[in-house]
Amino acid sequence: EAGVTQSPTHLIKTRGQQATLRCSPISGHTSVYWYQQALGLGLQFLLWYDEGEERNRGNFPPRFSGRQFPNYSSELNVNALELEDSALYLCASSLGEDAYNEQFFGPGTRLTVL
Amino acid sequence: AQSVTQPDIHITVSEGASLELRCNYSYGATPYLFWYVQSPGQGLQLLLKYFSGDTLVQGIKGFEAEFKRSQSSFNLRKPSVHWSDAAEYFCAVAPRGGGGADGLTFGKGTHLIIQP
Repeated sequence: EAGVTQSPTHLIKTRGQQATLRCSPISGHTSVYWYQQALGLGLQFLLWYDEGEERNRGNFPPRFSGRQFPNYSSELNVNALELEDSALYLCASSLGEDAYNEQFFGPGTRLTVL
Repeated sequence: AQSVTQPDIHITVSEGASLELRCNYSYGATPYLFWYVQSPGQGLQLLLKYFSGDTLVQGIKGFEAEFKRSQSSFNLRKPSVHWSDAAEYFCAVAPRGGGGADGLTFGKGTHLIIQP
């Protein structure tokens, strides 16, 4: 069974540009979570999608947005990039919305903002 | 607000020695508790989780963790470490019965170094 996949592996952008990151969940999983892992800040919850809807977002500005498609894949968009957006962005998927459903993580997309 | 504390940023252990990684949480009620491992260049892998019942839980790769309600702790242990255990370890919590609304709340991680 294929795991969670993310693309691209690495992404280099300049300040002010937009970045789009993609995530394909494990087959059958309807929930997708996005996390940011920035140096010194640890792993922080960004967004949660379930059944095509944004269900919750963490403490991040509105320029972080995304969507979930009918096939449950997801994309994260970061507009007006700032230097501090440089981080590893991890996507996770789970069977459903309950917290006891294990979240399976992808390998991440390394975003570098110059 | 909930928080997770991993007091040790780095730990160095000799190969074959025992290991204990500490995790304390601050929460209104006992949350779901998790330990994840992250190897360089890879995503997170779940080692074990505690929801209820026996406070000593067994996980993959020979790891175990003990939940102590009185100390709000969920420490990870391994009796004998291998060089392949070198990685970053994260303790995480999620609200019981709260759905996935807040995602997982992670500690800052403990970097485990294995000495030959």
